[in-house]
Amino acid sequence: DVKVTQSSRYLVKRTGEKVFLECVQDMDHENMFWYRQDPGLGLRLIYFSYDVKMKEKGDIPEGYSVSREKKERFSLILESASTNQTSMYLCASSQDATSYEQYFGPGTRLTVT
Amino acid sequence: AQKITQTQPGMFVQEKEAVTLDCTYDTSDPSYGLFWYKQPSSGEMIFLIYQGSYDQQNATEGRYSLNFQKARKSANLVISASQLGDSAMYFCAMREGGTGNQFYFGTGTSLTVIP
Repeated sequence: DVKVTQSSRYLVKRTGEKVFLECVQDMDHENMFWYRQDPGLGLRLIYFSYDVKMKEKGDIPEGYSVSREKKERFSLILESASTNQTSMYLCASSQDATSYEQYFGPGTRLTVT
Repeated sequence: AQKITQTQPGMFVQEKEAVTLDCTYDTSDPSYGLFWYKQPSSGEMIFLIYQGSYDQQNATEGRYSLNFQKARKSANLVISASQLGDSAMYFCAMREGGTGNQFYFGTGTSLTVIP
């Protein structure tokens, strides 16, 4: 079974802190994704990566950066956390073809105070 | 323009009845895939069903079927014989061809099954 893990289920940070969210997948997938999920807005793509060291901006990249140094790991970085970044963050991975679904991690609920 | 539109924020259905969740999509790519995911209150995203743009027949997976109308660009999810455990958020998603294959998600429909 594909497994996508995220470093924390719940995280509380202060405004201005640098925050790292880690995601690891164990199925050698080429593609990895970071979303944030907010009520009424669904899932919005922050960044995705289709190969090591490759990244593409999604719909809402402002205030975020990402890192993919190894194929199995995709990190989301909040350079200076703000209260409007309080959200549920979901990581996902998939194989590289139109027909393959995404596999999701359990999510990290981040609260910025 | 929205790539995926789900116009029903909330739906109710009686247990054992069938329910249809609407999804329309927008793409000019001839190759694409359509997906439905279920998200229970526990938060995990569960893949339900897939339909390819070139598939001639509607996809089915147990009690789930996808009513694919290509000309109308709609991909509605039909759940037959609803169960209490079907209460959840349901998301429609699309994946276009090309490198990276970005996914686009709708805003979701909250389904409540009434006993």
